[in-house]
Amino acid sequence: QKEVEQNSGPLSVPEGAIASLNCTYSDRGSQSFFWYRQYSGKSPELIMFIYSNGDKEDGRFTAQLNKASQYVSLLIRDSQPSDSATYLCAVTPRDSNYQLIWGAGTKLIIKP
Amino acid sequence: DTAVSQTPKYLVTQMGNDKSIKCEQNLGHDTMYWYKQDSKKFLKIMFSYNNKELIINETVPNRFSPKSPDKAHLNLHINSLELGDSAVYFCASSQEGRSPLHFGNGTRLTVT
Repeated sequence: QKEVEQNSGPLSVPEGAIASLNCTYSDRGSQSFFWYRQYSGKSPELIMFIYSNGDKEDGRFTAQLNKASQYVSLLIRDSQPSDSATYLCAVTPRDSNYQLIWGAGTKLIIKP
Repeated sequence: DTAVSQTPKYLVTQMGNDKSIKCEQNLGHDTMYWYKQDSKKFLKIMFSYNNKELIINETVPNRFSPKSPDKAHLNLHINSLELGDSAVYFCASSQEGRSPLHFGNGTRLTVT
């Protein structure tokens, strides 16, 4: 059973601090890794995707992938109250080009 | 200029009825999906079509039937609705299998 694990939270972070969200996956051959943000009552929207080991930065967001340890993380620098949302991790397994394995999401709260 | 649009946004109906949800994407993507998100916010794939061909058909009741008249449209028909069908249903599309998903705004189905 392929799984993606996330701490459900809530994770509370002061405004201006760095928020660190983590995700582990069970399929060692996983190929593609995505972070989506979902506000309450809204649809998921893509924040970052990463395919190779290492860091990928986009503005205040950095995705980190470590395939050897089978984890992917999302760092949000200078956290803002508008970053408060549920963050979903999704992984493409080795044996499917179209299937995504989703984590249950981490609820992030940024406190002013 | 909506990328992925689905209708209706809200659907309230009684047990036993038949209903349809429509989805259209104008991104030129080859692959479309139906996802179900339950009250615990867990996203579960139901179906996926690639160029009108069914490629993912997860274990869902056969009361659910997808139809893709062309690669820009994917509809979901549900027969004999049950209380447990109440959820938010998201349509999504992607350029190819390992590409990021673009979600529609969701259809909140309530069965009474």
